[in-house]
Formats: sequence, C-alpha cells, structure tokens
Amino acid sequence: DIVMTQTPLSLSVTPGQPASISCKSSQSLLHSDGKTYLYWYLQKPGQPPQLLIYEVSNRFSGVPDRFSGSGSGTDFTLKISRVEAEDVGVYYCMQSIQLPSITFGQGTRLEIK
Amino acid sequence: QVQLVQSGAEVKKPGASVKVSCKASGYTFTSYYMHWVRQAPGQGLEWMGIINPSGGSTSYAQKFQGRVTMTRDTSTSTVYMELSSLRSEDTAVYYCARDDSSCWGLWGRGTLVTVSS
Repeated sequence: DIVMTQTPLSLSVTPGQPASISCKSSQSLLHSDGKTYLYWYLQKPGQPPQLLIYEVSNRFSGVPDRFSGSGSGTDFTLKISRVEAEDVGVYYCMQSIQLPSITFGQGTRLEIK
Repeated sequence: QVQLVQSGAEVKKPGASVKVSCKASGYTFTSYYMHWVRQAPGQGLEWMGIINPSGGSTSYAQKFQGRVTMTRDTSTSTVYMELSSLRSEDTAVYYCARDDSSCWGLWGRGTLVTVSS
C-alpha cells in the first residue's frame, strides 16, 4: 500500500495568518493518464469529510480561494492563505492512484489560537 | 436535493454481522461509483471498498477481503455494506461517498456501528 505521511500532525494558527500542511507519499501519484491522484479533505467536528482540493491543485466547487494545493510526484502541500475560525478541523490527504488500495494520511488537526 | 442518506446507528455483539445502507437521491444512481470509508473513534479515515451501482461490480481493500460485501438495489437507489465476524475494533462510523470522476464531493452523514458484548 502507498503510505501517506502528513506533517505537522497539529497546527495552532492565529486568525488571518497562513497555514501549510505537507503530505508525502511513498510512491509517485502521477498516473500514466497524466493525472496526479492526490486529494485534500477537511473534516469539521461532527461532520463527514468534505472535499477541498482534487488532483493536487483544483479547488472543489464552493471552496474558498484562500485554500490552495500544490506539488507533484510524491510531495504535496495544502496552504491556507488566511486562516478563519471556520477552518477548524482535521485535514487529510488521500491518494487514489492505486485501486483497490486507497489510503489517507494520518490527519492534521488545525485549531485557532 | 442531491444527497446520501444512511441508516441509523447499530449495536452488535462480537461475531455478528451488520448491514449499513446508503440511499441516494437527486441524481442518476447508476452513473456514479460509491465508496465506503470508516473512522474508528478518535482515529483517521480508512477506505473499505467501492461498488459500481450500475453493474454491481466491487473492489475491496485487502484488509476486509472475505469479511465485507457491498451490494446495491437499483430499484431503491440504495447501496449496502455488510461486514461480518464483527470484533470490537470494528466499532466505527461508516460513511458512503459518491465518486464523481475521482472527486468524492458527496458523503453520507455516517452510521455508527458499536460492537460490544
């Protein structure tokens, strides 16, 4: 299985300040079809996960533009340009290049200072 | 509206089976694959498998092979996930998630399954 490693595991950020989460995969997530199957989800307390970013850098419908994704191959980053109170929760990266072995990172908990 | 409605919480004894449902509405049921993901209390997300509601084909994570069965009923636009030989470690919230060209933008609210003697 592809191992997804997120850092840091927790983050405390002052509102208005930026935040960044790293996700590294044990194998390249670049498929022969040209797509990179790396996704970012946010799970707010008591809710199911919600998709933020698909295929590394594409914001899902309705996701604020303060969220951005970047990276390639095995190294990826989620950035929040200016953290807001509603961004609290656990962020997960996920790879789906290898069916039937989709895997998630351990999660990064974001709290507000 | 477009939504996935999951069945209610379950309490099961070790060794029993549980069958969780996920009813789709507001879209063409057979046009989108469905995933099942679980989350143990205070833990991360774990992918269990995928079903094609159109033909019923499935693919399961190796960890659950032999213990999980995913099925669908096109007449009611419902997918099911059955997990057998339950043990305490299977206590978790089970989610269904619609796959839209690899974007899982629609999730059910989750079903808590508690395994306890």
